[in-house]
Amino acid sequence: DAKTTQPPSMDCAEGRAANLPCNHSTISGNEYVYWYRQIHSQGPQYIIHGLKNNETNEMASLIITEDRKSSTLILPHATLRDTAVYYCIVRVPNSGGSNYKLTFGKGTLLTVNP
Amino acid sequence: ETGVTQSPTHLIKTRGQQVTLRCSSQSGHNTVSWYQQALGQGPQFIFQYYREEENGRGNFPPRFSGLQFPNYSSELNVNALELDDSALYLCASSPDRLNEKLFFGSGTQLSVL
Repeated sequence: DAKTTQPPSMDCAEGRAANLPCNHSTISGNEYVYWYRQIHSQGPQYIIHGLKNNETNEMASLIITEDRKSSTLILPHATLRDTAVYYCIVRVPNSGGSNYKLTFGKGTLLTVNP
Repeated sequence: ETGVTQSPTHLIKTRGQQVTLRCSSQSGHNTVSWYQQALGQGPQFIFQYYREEENGRGNFPPRFSGLQFPNYSSELNVNALELDDSALYLCASSPDRLNEKLFFGSGTQLSVL
């Protein structure tokens, strides 16, 4: 499985952009990068995913480097409710089944401060 | 449209007992995955069900088993509970087995004493 490396924690001021880095240097050419977040006492929530091109949706932007060995999740205007653990995941095929599984690491705890 | 719901929210069992956790998938979703999340760790994939058949499994022993019903709801069964089984158990549903986007429930917190 392609592994991801994220800083264990980050701080961000409310209203500022939060930039969360992720390294995935062993990613294969057809493997997608996914981001989920988990707010305390809740299940993970899908944020965004991408393959090669940069992606943007109503929650965030995803910037993937040209060599695809790293990516950055950008929350353009962080709020207190964005305080959560953010997981960067490389989606890989699940052995023995025609599907994919998500392998979560420990993620980055983003704390948004007033 | 209802989201993914899990029951119960909390459960306490003793070592050696058996437990059944339940999950109702989001409307229109035919695939359900189960994850175990130990304290301070990310969720770990247990297995996935697609149209009532197991369709992929993680590194969990056979005492972890599951079912998916015709309405696509699901159960996770754990036999011979061990102390290390104490964790948050998360259910996630998706509209197909490609799992392009998972929708998670809030989980069942299991404590094994």
